[in-house]
Amino acid sequence: NAGVTQTPKFQVLKTGQSMTLQCAQDMNHNSMYWYRQDPGMGLRLIYYSASEGTTDKGEVPNGYNVSRLNKREFSLRLESAAPSQTSVYFCASSVTEAGANVLTFGAGSRLTVL
Amino acid sequence: QKEVEQNSGPLSVPEGAIASLNCTYSDRGSQSFFWYRQYSGKSPELIMSIYSNGDKEDGRFTAQLNKASQYVSLLIRDSQPSDSATYLCAVKEGGSQGNLIFGKGTKLSVKP
Repeated sequence: NAGVTQTPKFQVLKTGQSMTLQCAQDMNHNSMYWYRQDPGMGLRLIYYSASEGTTDKGEVPNGYNVSRLNKREFSLRLESAAPSQTSVYFCASSVTEAGANVLTFGAGSRLTVL
Repeated sequence: QKEVEQNSGPLSVPEGAIASLNCTYSDRGSQSFFWYRQYSGKSPELIMSIYSNGDKEDGRFTAQLNKASQYVSLLIRDSQPSDSATYLCAVKEGGSQGNLIFGKGTKLSVKP
């Protein structure tokens, strides 16, 4: 039972390079999310997708794009990476419980931009 | 700006003691509250959810909610070294989308 799978786990980029973080869930969840986690800043929502075919900006969307490819997959793209995007990125999916989005996280992707 | 505040710690307790982790939030419309545990280098995992005022117990964990005071806490009884982790408080935003706002976390260290 894989849950939420993210790839790659580690990536080093040079400033200006582009890359895509991939995320897939096998729990048949409607909603998926991308967070970044930085020391002293906590988890911050980048983008989310409430259902297949929809995406919305979170707290820190600048410099990122997302694609909800199908119900299972939600990718995060950095078109021109900047050192400020050095972070740990978590994908999550959620099931609704009592009106709340209960999140299950992937293992994380550690990105370094030089 | 909706906020979730936690003491960053580290909170150090001896093995077998009760660890008390606290969280306050600013959005009076919040209805759902969560505690996630995050081991170093790992992803957050849900350990407790609470939706009503009062206490909710699950094994050694008790979540406490006081909506009037905008305060939620997590008690860990008989703390074990394996409980050493960062504990994240998360609050569902008021409104239909229901996204979570996370606190910055409290680092707990349980000493043998």
